[in-house]
Parts: sequence; C-alpha cells; structure tokens
Amino acid sequence: QVQLVQSGAEVKKPGASVKVSCKTSGYTFTSYGISWVRQAPGQGLEWMGWISTYNGDTKFTQKFQGRVTLTIDTATTTAYMELTSLTSDDTAVYYCAREHLLTDYWGQGTLVTVSS
Amino acid sequence: DIVMTQSPDSLAVSLGERATINCKSSQSVLYTSNNENYLAWYQQKPGQPPKLLIYWASTRASGVPDRFSGSGSETDFTLTISSLQAEDVAVYYCQDYYSSPPVTFGQGTRLEIK
Repeated sequence: QVQLVQSGAEVKKPGASVKVSCKTSGYTFTSYGISWVRQAPGQGLEWMGWISTYNGDTKFTQKFQGRVTLTIDTATTTAYMELTSLTSDDTAVYYCAREHLLTDYWGQGTLVTVSS
Repeated sequence: DIVMTQSPDSLAVSLGERATINCKSSQSVLYTSNNENYLAWYQQKPGQPPKLLIYWASTRASGVPDRFSGSGSETDFTLTISSLQAEDVAVYYCQDYYSSPPVTFGQGTRLEIK
C-alpha cells in the first residue's frame, strides 16, 4: 500500500534551519511528484512547493522562494524539505504529499516548533 | 494565482441532516480540452493529514461513502453531505489543481454537530 512516512518532530531556535524527510513506499517513486504543504496551529493548509521525482524540477510559492530547498533521493525513494532562517511564524505541521495533479496520499505530518 | 473562497467558515448541522459547503474560485478551473473541472475536496480531522474525498469536482475517491457528493462547474462548486454522521465532523477544504503545481486551497470550513 502507498505510504509516506515523515521524520519526527523538531524544535529549532530562530535563525536555524530544519530538514524534514518523507520516505515513500508502495508505488513507483518517479511516477508522482512530491508536494509540501504546511499548517500553522489552528490555521488552514498552505502549499509550499513541489518537486518532480522524474527530473528534480521544482516549483515554489513566492513566499518560500529562496528559503526552501526540495530534494529527492531516488535510491531510497525519499524526499526532503529544508527550510532556512526559521522564525516563530514557521511553527507548523509540515506535510509531504504524493502529487500527480492531485495530492492523493499524504504523510502523517512533522511538527516543527521554532522557539528561543 | 487562483484564489479559492469557501463559505461558510463554519457550519453546525444536526445528525442525519444535509450539510452544504460552497467553494468559489477567482477564475474558471474548467479545462475545456477535456471538459474537466480541476477541483478537489479534502476532509481533515484533528491530528490527521487531509484525506482526498472528491476530485474532478464530482468523482468520489476510493472508499468515500456515497453520502458525500460534489457538484458545480467553472467557478462555483459545492460539497454536500446528504445525511450527516458523527464521524463527518472535520474541516473541509476545496483545492484547485488547474495550474498544478502550484495548487491553491480554500481557507477551510469547520463542520460540527448541532
């Protein structure tokens, strides 16, 4: 069965970076892109960016351009999201999701807390 | 970018009654070459990731009960739960995937039991 399993919760200080992993299984990794979506406490869903698992192309929403890096490791069918220059506004649950037009399977989410 | 606006922001419905959630997009999500509306609905329960309910505006995802239905075209869409069950308490989001990526979510509608 399709699974996306994310790395565990993180606590970071302002100005630091965080890297979240998303291990996929149960499907052909290179047939679907990976989108990253975040959700601040009590808030809605915010799409951050997308990476093609076929050729590594990326797209980002303007808000995160330059501050987020998306990478993949096809050997381990794992996707990564790194966010730099963290502030308290980046405290959120970060989700990876399998994407081919639709985001049909999602990871369980990774809580990133930014606090001094 | 397309902006998705849901209404209402919250909704309280009695068990067994109908619940209706609306979603309006700032531009058409109907792709004329295949006559498909690139509109999806998700359900999110507390502490869980979103779950795909409806895609192509009206196609139920695998395993989704038939009390859930989607309708609409171009810029105006509706998610209907025909007979509300206790397990349907959640936040519901519409999403356009017309220019995917990026995708855009509505702000969410919180559904509660009256």
